[in-house]
Amino acid sequence: GAGVSQTPSNKVTEKGKYVELRCDPISGHTALYWYRQSLGQGPEFLIYFQGTGAADDSGLPNDRFFAVRPEGSVSTLKIQRTERGDSAVYLCASSLGTRSSYNEQFFGPGTRLTVL
Amino acid sequence: DAKTTQPPSMDCAEGRAANLPCNHSTISGNEYVYWYRQIHSQGPQYIIHGLKNNETNEMASLIITEDRKSSTLILPHATLRDTAVYYCIVIYNTDKLIFGTGTRLQVFP
Repeated sequence: GAGVSQTPSNKVTEKGKYVELRCDPISGHTALYWYRQSLGQGPEFLIYFQGTGAADDSGLPNDRFFAVRPEGSVSTLKIQRTERGDSAVYLCASSLGTRSSYNEQFFGPGTRLTVL
Repeated sequence: DAKTTQPPSMDCAEGRAANLPCNHSTISGNEYVYWYRQIHSQGPQYIIHGLKNNETNEMASLIITEDRKSSTLILPHATLRDTAVYYCIVIYNTDKLIFGTGTRLQVFP
């Protein structure tokens, strides 16, 4: 079956530009997560959606970062006025979202963002 | 911050068991131990999780000490495809995963 997909796979932009990164979760998964991974580090949590609403956005580094999930499926991570420090792999994951001990997160391949 | 401590790297011969340790001395009674791995240039992949009892699935076994302050992930017969970074994560629920820097496992022929 189809897994989590992310587009684009690579994005190169210039400092100060606006970018959008898209995530298509597994069908039926109500929970969606965004993470950011810098070289040599583990993924860092950014934001978590349960349905259409952001249940936890405590990981967003500043107000240049924003994410939406208007219909409870596809999500878009938006970065304004990009900075070189935003360069990283942006990972999306989805899960069934049930409040049980087992709630495996399925990750996409990531979008590699490079800010020149 | 991650609540776990793992060695930065380990080696294992192909066909042998790989035993990856994790310390989580501040774990709370209702927190689970999860293991994920990340193969180069891919997203992380769930392996196994447990609360108190040892667990086994088709990928690995998880041994949790009685005091729950540490655990070991066992890959019984490591293959070259098991070369990856392995993350041990302690969480109460699964709203978000807090990754540390993990253990880079290198399986050699």
